[in-house]
Amino acid sequence: DQQVKQNSPSLSVQEGRISILNCDYTNSMFDYFLWYKKYPAEGPTFLISISSIKDKNEDGRFTVFLNKSAKHLSLHIVPSQPGDSAVYFCAASNSGNTPLVFGKGTRLSVIA
Amino acid sequence: GAGVSQSPSNKVTEKGKDVELRCDPISGHTALYWYRQSLGQGLEFLIYFQGNSAPDKSGLPSDRFSAERTGGSVSTLTIQRTQQEDSAVYLCASSLEGRDYGYTFGSGTRLTVV
Repeated sequence: DQQVKQNSPSLSVQEGRISILNCDYTNSMFDYFLWYKKYPAEGPTFLISISSIKDKNEDGRFTVFLNKSAKHLSLHIVPSQPGDSAVYFCAASNSGNTPLVFGKGTRLSVIA
Repeated sequence: GAGVSQSPSNKVTEKGKDVELRCDPISGHTALYWYRQSLGQGLEFLIYFQGNSAPDKSGLPSDRFSAERTGGSVSTLTIQRTQQEDSAVYLCASSLEGRDYGYTFGSGTRLTVV
């Protein structure tokens, strides 16, 4: 049973446009959410996070939106750059005392 | 160290052999995690160490898998009698205590069982 779902395995976006990556979760106990970015042959790197007490968190070109009623979060990247091409993983945590649960990832390709 | 270090970076082993994967976490990080990523799959949790507490082994897929963390620092993941389905990238991560800090991952060990 997948608790964190990323239903789009891949996404292609033109440089300069907005990239929107989506993530759904099933466990209503999750209260902290994170996005990680992974380049080939490297480990995932932390990108941005959001607590369930917020519905938006912004960091430069990256914004994460959380819709608790829909159990849905999204990562917006604007403007998208070729260097953003990577696999993006959504992750969720329950009270911080349990290991992060990751989705399967979405491969983003930003085309120049 | 500056980051999480894993060794070896690549390991090819014959089916039935035992393997040991090593992880050196960031100094001062009290939490250490092992995940694996099989082809086309997400990150699958394996085991979690937090300080001196008993490890959370709930993600280990079978009793062929075990892990130790010595002195609250270096960790070794051991897979006995490897099978072809064990082929994956094994990722180690560490974090400061408290969830507001994201995990810092190593580059992983790519294990291929032939």
